[in-house]
Amino acid sequence: ELKVEQNPLFLSMQEGKNYTIYCNYSTTSDRLYWYRQDPGKSLESLFVLLSNGAVKQEGRLMASLDTKARLSTLHITAAVHDLSATYFCAVDQNTGTASKLTFGTGTRLQVTL
Amino acid sequence: GAVVSQHPSRVICKSGTSVKIECRSLDFQATTMFWYRQFPKKSLMLMATSNEGSKATYEQGVEKDKFLINHASLTLSTLTVTSAHPEDSSFYICSASFRRRAYEQYFGPGTRLTVT
Repeated sequence: ELKVEQNPLFLSMQEGKNYTIYCNYSTTSDRLYWYRQDPGKSLESLFVLLSNGAVKQEGRLMASLDTKARLSTLHITAAVHDLSATYFCAVDQNTGTASKLTFGTGTRLQVTL
Repeated sequence: GAVVSQHPSRVICKSGTSVKIECRSLDFQATTMFWYRQFPKKSLMLMATSNEGSKATYEQGVEKDKFLINHASLTLSTLTVTSAHPEDSSFYICSASFRRRAYEQYFGPGTRLTVT
């Protein structure tokens, strides 16, 4: 059974600081996704990582994937309050025609002034 | 593009009644639709996967007779919670994918179900 773990579960950081969220998974997969969820809302897609070594950046967020280590990171640079949300990684178990996502535990990020 | 809607966004029902949630792909034909459940401050758990015109595949531990899923067309899937109980209260989120980008799921806005 695929297990996806994130750490930390909760992160309080000051504006302007940098930090990294880690996503570890237990079985082989070449596809990993990062999502943002605001309270009471659904998921917003942030990054789709489809191969080993993939790195994507959008604004203050950068995600990378190391399939050999079964590890993805979400790096936050110079955090701002608007980044406060819960972040989920999700791993795709299915290499066929349709994806099947297993979600991580989530990391609740709180950016303080 | 790739917009998914859900209706209703919130529903309150009495224990023992049934409630139907609709999930629609607005600007694409969804070959596969997925239903997730999320309890407060928890992660998303996949309940079932459905392909148009065929029976849904339920995840282990999900009662197929309680959570009826119908994927009657390429743009509509429904989830019916039958004989709802307070423990069914949750946030239900659907997603959809299409063949050319089968690796990506597009998520609906979610439906918050409260059973009293």
